Amino acid sequence: KNQVEQSPQSLIILEGKNCTLQCNYTVSPFSNLRWYKQDTGRGPVSLTIMTFSENTKSNGRYTATLDADTKQSSLHITASQLSDSASYICVVSRSNDYKLSFGAGTTVTVRA
Amino acid sequence: GAVVSQHPSRVICKSGTSVKIECRSLDFQATTMFWYRQFPKKSLMLMATSNEGSKATYEQGVEKDKFLINHASLTLSTLTVTSAHPEDSSFYICSARMGELENTIYFGEGSWLTVV
Repeated sequence: KNQVEQSPQSLIILEGKNCTLQCNYTVSPFSNLRWYKQDTGRGPVSLTIMTFSENTKSNGRYTATLDADTKQSSLHITASQLSDSASYICVVSRSNDYKLSFGAGTTVTVRA
Repeated sequence: GAVVSQHPSRVICKSGTSVKIECRSLDFQATTMFWYRQFPKKSLMLMATSNEGSKATYEQGVEKDKFLINHASLTLSTLTVTSAHPEDSSFYICSARMGELENTIYFGEGSWLTVV
């Protein structure tokens, strides 16, 4: 059973528009939650990492939120660019063994 | 930021042969490295956890004799796919953890393996 669920599976947006990706998790005990961007055929690149006490973190046009009570996170992309086309993966780490649980990713396609 | 390098980035090998993929942490010492396999449009699947100087810990369902992992130094781990078959064709990614307490993991660029 996947402990990290992402939605939507994929989405298409027009350049310049905003979008929000969702991540729900059941991983416990919780250590931190990360969002990665993975271009096709490349390794994942870290966008944000948030611990239990952090509610929001930004990295340029990427803003991640975390609600540790409801075990939900979101990644908001502002003013999307063509280069934002990629898969975005939510990864949750356990605090006892640091084992990572990966979501299946959301594929974002930005069109001109 | 920390860099993890994988080599080769792409490799084609014949069925029955073995192929080695290297994972190096370029500017930090990685006591633990991880190997993943990723199928198209799927998430990363952890294959094994590699600790420097000790045997790797394999995930359930991963054949340790098929996927040999060696973590000979604090900056290098290798994955050898032995007696490769076409179904082993996949994208293999490594990651390295910086230190024991600092929960920071960096991913390599990945290696495409095609077995013909």
